Amino acid sequence: KAGVTQTPRYLIKTRGQQVTLSCSPISGHRSVSWYQQTPGQGLQFLFEYFSETQRNKGNFPGRFSGRQFSNSRSEMNVSTLELGDSALYLCASSAGGLNAETQYFGPGTRLLVL
Amino acid sequence: GESVGLHLPTLSVQEGDNSIINCAYSNSASDYFIWYKQESGKGPQFIIDIRSNMDKRQGQRVTVLLNKTVKHLSLQIAATQPGDSAVYFCAERNTGFQKLVFGTGTRLLVSP
Repeated sequence: KAGVTQTPRYLIKTRGQQVTLSCSPISGHRSVSWYQQTPGQGLQFLFEYFSETQRNKGNFPGRFSGRQFSNSRSEMNVSTLELGDSALYLCASSAGGLNAETQYFGPGTRLLVL
Repeated sequence: GESVGLHLPTLSVQEGDNSIINCAYSNSASDYFIWYKQESGKGPQFIIDIRSNMDKRQGQRVTVLLNKTVKHLSLQIAATQPGDSAVYFCAERNTGFQKLVFGTGTRLLVSP
């Protein structure tokens, strides 16, 4: 099976702009989670989508949003970009059950905000 | 609050040695734990997981130990190789939620 894919891999934006990142989960996986990774804060949970519904949400401002499509692909959007949004954005997919199960990560999208 | 921490930010070992990476977690409700390896420029790669009803689980050259009494997790890598050099993260999850809480990471440096 193909792994989790993310596009684009690299992105440069300026403050105030908005950005949309895309994630395609492993075939058959219905849950997609998004994480932000920065040197200062480490890996932090943004949100999780399952069956086109946001099921869990982390402690990020409303500028961070996401959605999931019927084919389980997911997008996340960041509006009104700030310098502090520069980070590696990772998505992870899993089958979607609420019992313990592994999340598999994509390579990430590196966002630089100037 | 939620936190998963690591005692050692950097661990340097010689090739062939056994490595032990430690992790402390604070949420007693967490019942699923995962170790990930992250190489430069890549996403975290699954290594091994363990559920809270287990104390030990073994994989290929790796063993995870869980001590729920002191809320401690460790990853043992046998016969460490240069290709094992990476940052290792532990993560915890509360059943019923897909949110993973990650530790700060330990950098493993393997010298030939």
